[in-house]
Amino acid sequence: GAGVSQSPSNKVTEKGKDVELRCDPISGHTALYWYRQSLGQGLEFLIYFQGNSAPDKSGLPSDRFSAERTGGSVSTLTIQRTQQEDSAVYLCASSLSIASTDTQYFGPGTRLTVL
Amino acid sequence: GQQLNQSPQSMFIQEGEDVSMNCTSSSIFNTWLWYKQDPGEGPVLLIALYKAGELTSNGRLTAQFGTTRKDSFLNISASIPSDVGIYFCAGRGGTSYGKLTFGQGTILTVHP
Repeated sequence: GAGVSQSPSNKVTEKGKDVELRCDPISGHTALYWYRQSLGQGLEFLIYFQGNSAPDKSGLPSDRFSAERTGGSVSTLTIQRTQQEDSAVYLCASSLSIASTDTQYFGPGTRLTVL
Repeated sequence: GQQLNQSPQSMFIQEGEDVSMNCTSSSIFNTWLWYKQDPGEGPVLLIALYKAGELTSNGRLTAQFGTTRKDSFLNISASIPSDVGIYFCAGRGGTSYGKLTFGQGTILTVHP
């Protein structure tokens, strides 16, 4: 079946503009995660959603970052007033649930460049 | 917060050689995972470890969950050119149950 998809694959924006990144999880997966990967670094957790529970936002770096998940499926990560340090690859993952035995499947990522 | 130290940062080896990389943590994890990432793609799970002391194999890959629950290693035997990529360890546990904490990655280059 289809894996996790993300759009756009690349996004170039000017400093100060808002951007929206989209994630389509695997059908039936109740858990959805956002991570950020800066050049040459590991992945940094941002936020996750599990079913109808309140999301865990503990990894969001500032109040310029927000995310929502509509209808328990598609998620949008929004970055307001982008800064150059926001440049990174933003990866989305989904899993059946947040149980430790449920694998997180990653999408290909959105490469964000802030000029 | 939780941090993972992964080493080495990079490795250059000849085809056929064995490879070993490891991760250590400042705190305990309940699950250790090893992922591989190819250019332009998201990480793909290689091996998952759920119990302290557990040793698990997946083809030429072997990984162990350290008995202190603060470390893990990954071995790749008889490397081949398609093993090239970035390998990440990740730990899961603590108060934020769903999130993964990743190491910095090991860049593996295999010369034919």
